[in-house]
Amino acid sequence: GQSLEQPSEVTAVEGAIVQINCTYQTSGFYGLSWYQQHDGGAPTFLSYNGLDGLEETGRFSSFLSRSDSYGYLLLQELQMKDSASYFCAVRDQAENYGQNFVFGPGTRLSVLP
Amino acid sequence: DAGVIQSPRHEVTEMGQEVTLRCKPISGHNSLFWYRQTMMRGLELLIYFNNNVPIDDSGMPEDRFSAKMPNASFSTLKIQPSEPRDSAVYFCASRKTGITSTDTQYFGPGTRLTVL
Repeated sequence: GQSLEQPSEVTAVEGAIVQINCTYQTSGFYGLSWYQQHDGGAPTFLSYNGLDGLEETGRFSSFLSRSDSYGYLLLQELQMKDSASYFCAVRDQAENYGQNFVFGPGTRLSVLP
Repeated sequence: DAGVIQSPRHEVTEMGQEVTLRCKPISGHNSLFWYRQTMMRGLELLIYFNNNVPIDDSGMPEDRFSAKMPNASFSTLKIQPSEPRDSAVYFCASRKTGITSTDTQYFGPGTRLTVL
């Protein structure tokens, strides 16, 4: 079957750095994405890794190791507004064959003052 | 751009009634996805379309669920008859595939469905 694993909750203080891990077991792998969702809101795209390595976008970075079926989202200089749920998602098909996306269960991040 | 538009934003109905959820994707996007989100099951992909054609509906829970995309700017998800266990937030998302794609999906605000 298809499965992604993330920690259910993470707590950190303002200004700190936090890492949210994601491990996956899928029939195929064509990319790992990260989404942020505030309570009552819709998921919004944060970052994407198609190849191994680190991608940096402002305070957010994402890392992928395909050999380990592992990735993480790194949030730096945490702010109160970063309190939200964070989801990893894997596309397990090449685009010319389909676009099945499998989402992880989500990690709830609480940022304390 | 207005983003992905969904309607209604909230729907309360009684068991056995038909429910129709609507979605307008972002102009120029060629792929559309319907998701369901619950506390128990998380975010589940129900069905997706490429260029208005349904590609994979294996995530649709039962025959009571059906989805259509008659043109590039409109899609519906129908539940008939509805049951209390269908209560969830239903999201529509769209994206544009291509060589420079980064797997980015743009989600609509969602429809919160409550079946009594």
